Amino acid sequence: NAGVMQNPRHLVRRRGQEARLRCSPMKGHSHVYWYRQLPEEGLKFMVYLQKENIIDESGMPKERFSAEFPKEGPSILRIQQVVRGDSAAYFCASSPTTGGGTEAFFGQGTRLTVV
Amino acid sequence: ELKVEQNPLFLSMQEGKNYTIYCNYSTTSDRLYWYRQDPGKSLESLFVLLSNGAVKQEGRLMASLDTKARLSTLHITAAVHDLSATYFCAVVQSYNTDKLIFGTGTRLQVFP
Repeated sequence: NAGVMQNPRHLVRRRGQEARLRCSPMKGHSHVYWYRQLPEEGLKFMVYLQKENIIDESGMPKERFSAEFPKEGPSILRIQQVVRGDSAAYFCASSPTTGGGTEAFFGQGTRLTVV
Repeated sequence: ELKVEQNPLFLSMQEGKNYTIYCNYSTTSDRLYWYRQDPGKSLESLFVLLSNGAVKQEGRLMASLDTKARLSTLHITAAVHDLSATYFCAVVQSYNTDKLIFGTGTRLQVFP
């Protein structure tokens, strides 16, 4: 049973380009969380999705950022018109259900560098 | 709004010494996690603490939880260089979610 798979592991974009980050949850997991880690900081929650639904996007910047988790395929975090301040590590985590002592498992992360 | 604070932020300690990292959180939660992160790597789950008075140990690390004080500790016994890493505590936002609020992290460096 493969773990949470994120790709690409490293992504370099020029200012103004678009970045697409992918997250394939563990088999049987239908809940996905995205977090951002700025250099030398802790992880900050961005968005929580279930299949075809955004449940909580309270941590998403209001502009340029969007996320989806379609019925088929990976979850996608999309950043339009990237700026240098978007450079960070982006982690996703997946869980089979919510609460009740379940645990979310983290992927290896995508390190985005904006030049 | 749930807030999670860790201290110290940086910890430089000699091999063989003991030390404790503290994690305070502001509102009631039913789960608290400790993670380890090596530079440029993902998070490694160390402990999950579910109830008041819970204590878990793995090797030289021991974690405890006091839900009444909203405090968790990560105790390091006889530190070794391999423990050098950043340690995060994270608290679940509410019962019906696995959304985590992370502490600021403690960067631990163990030297000979």
